[in-house]
Amino acid sequence: QKEVEQDPGPLSVPEGAIVSLNCTYSNSAFQYFMWYRQYSRKGPELLMYTYSSGNKEDGRFTAQVDKSSKYISLFIRDSQPSDSATYLCAILGGKLIFGQGTELSVKP
Amino acid sequence: EAGVTQFPSHSVIEKGQTVTLRCDPISGHDNLYWYRRVMGKEIKFLLHFVKESKQDESGMPNNRFLAERTGGTYSTLKVQPAELEDSGVYFCASSQVGEGVEQYFGPGTRLTVT
Repeated sequence: QKEVEQDPGPLSVPEGAIVSLNCTYSNSAFQYFMWYRQYSRKGPELLMYTYSSGNKEDGRFTAQVDKSSKYISLFIRDSQPSDSATYLCAILGGKLIFGQGTELSVKP
Repeated sequence: EAGVTQFPSHSVIEKGQTVTLRCDPISGHDNLYWYRRVMGKEIKFLLHFVKESKQDESGMPNNRFLAERTGGTYSTLKVQPAELEDSGVYFCASSQVGEGVEQYFGPGTRLTVT
């Protein structure tokens, strides 16, 4: 079983839609949960991270962690074509452990 | 402030040859990490330096891979001899001293072994 599971998609939505991206993880000891965005031919860029459970909001982006179900989510409100990228969830266990990434396409 | 830089951006070599990848971290970042993404798989950790010391090299696939960080500044990752399964994108990341929560990634080196 992989430590972090993420549906690779691809996911295609119209501009303005609310996007929900999700991951599950297996080790309940992890405390830091990260979301990275990666554009084609670029390195991953840290979007936001949360510590332990709860929500964190940054503009149109909300990260949510539910430790009881080992479930992490990223919500994007009012999605824009510029949000089209691969979104990677990761957990920090001394090193980053990544999910496979979800490819998102926002159509104008 | 300059970000993490990696050189070369792309390398094509034949099986059995040697390749050296270079990473320059953000100035002042003591932590330096190497990761790799092979086709169709997730990004996986290779190793972690704190300054010039190897803190964790549990992700290094085998002894054909050698990483160094002389003087605690830039790092090199040498693959010798290269095999077909070494093809992928090699990322370097750096973070300030501490738990390494905010890791900043370079653009990666795309390695193709033919």
